[in-house]
Amino acid sequence: GNSVTQMEGPVTLSEEAFLTINCTYTATGYPSLFWYVQYPGEGLQLLLKATKADDKGSNKGFEATYRKETTSFHLEKGSVQVSDSAVYFCALRIMNRDDKIIFGKGTRLHILP
Amino acid sequence: NAGVTQTPKFQVLKTGQSMTLQCAQDMNHEYMSWYRQDPGMGLRLIHYSVGAGITDQGEVPNGYNVSRSTTEDFPLRLLSAAPSQTSVYFCASRRTGDYEQYFGPGTRLTVT
Repeated sequence: GNSVTQMEGPVTLSEEAFLTINCTYTATGYPSLFWYVQYPGEGLQLLLKATKADDKGSNKGFEATYRKETTSFHLEKGSVQVSDSAVYFCALRIMNRDDKIIFGKGTRLHILP
Repeated sequence: NAGVTQTPKFQVLKTGQSMTLQCAQDMNHEYMSWYRQDPGMGLRLIHYSVGAGITDQGEVPNGYNVSRSTTEDFPLRLLSAAPSQTSVYFCASRRTGDYEQYFGPGTRLTVT
């Protein structure tokens, strides 16, 4: 079946550190891949997306590259800020009849000043 | 545009009580979904709808009913609340074929 696995948190980093949050997927067909972010007390919002192999999604200094050969979509940022503290969800979408979006379990990120 | 709105924001129920969580969107999106979010479990899909009059079950539908009589509204009904339904519930909507899904602010439900 279709599923998303992402690294467990919490992840705690100091400000200006390099961030990687790993995400791998299993999918039948060719999924679109997403990272969503949830700030405290809010709903999820789309951070970035990639719709085909080798695409790179980017937004707010975050990047992720769709790697079909390793079925991965790792999230990276070169220099994190305290304001990046949130929960990050990797997700995939298969364009079939149901057209569902399947989420990973989320990774909580704490950035220390 | 208000986007996706959910009411109430917080709710406490006793075991066995019923209630309806409201969800509305003003973006004319065809596709709407309900998720629950639990610690360590991420987001799990409860029910979804691809358009008015059409609903289908997600990953964890037991104990919940939905209906979609209009494009704008997608209420979630708890028939007989159980402590296992204590969770944060999110409604989401998107245009069919679009990539971005818009989420409401959530309803935090506690069942005692």
